[in-house]
Amino acid sequence: QVQLVQSGAEVKKPGASVKVSCKAAGYTFTGHNIHWMRQAPGQGLEWMGRINPNTGGTNYAQKFQGRVTVTRDTSINTVYMELSRLRSDDTAVYYCARVGISAAGTFDPWGQGTLVTVSS
Amino acid sequence: DIQMTQSPSSLSASVGDRVTITCRASQSISSYLNWYQQKPGKAPKLLIYAASSLQSGVPSRFSGSGSGTDFTLTISSLQPEDIATYYCQQSYSTGDTFGPGTKVDIK
Repeated sequence: QVQLVQSGAEVKKPGASVKVSCKAAGYTFTGHNIHWMRQAPGQGLEWMGRINPNTGGTNYAQKFQGRVTVTRDTSINTVYMELSRLRSDDTAVYYCARVGISAAGTFDPWGQGTLVTVSS
Repeated sequence: DIQMTQSPSSLSASVGDRVTITCRASQSISSYLNWYQQKPGKAPKLLIYAASSLQSGVPSRFSGSGSGTDFTLTISSLQPEDIATYYCQQSYSTGDTFGPGTKVDIK
């Protein structure tokens, strides 16, 4: 079945970078955009950016421009999200999600989430 | 960017009650509005797309309506397994944005 499997939890110090992976299975990897969202503890969902796995083209939320980089490796059906210059308020669960087939702009399915903790 | 608001921010209802959640966009988004359910510790799950279409596998007690700027999610008969936070999401423009969420629990 269609699924996205993310890498495990990370603990980072302020100023460091983190790279989270999202491995796709069960569908044609290059056929659907993948998006990244995050959710701080007790907070709502925040869109970060997206990648077209076919072309490698990306779009990022203005808030994260210059700090986030989304890449892909088509040989292993995996997308990566790297966030640099980490701050304590970057502590959150990071999700990848594929664009759904029901309608453009939906997110379905989602990865299981990766907790990134930023602490000195 | 398009701003999304939801009301109420939380609600308590009894099993079997009809529950309605409202989502409003800061400008017209036609029917480019989706609803997600998120249970504690889990990833969000798509419930409703294009304002009123039920995602495959979602119980029929869930329904959506609206267009333009005002939308509603209705649970016709609340069940214990519906305890969750519900988010609306506009897919009209890049920078897809979510509402702040509505937490639903059992009275």
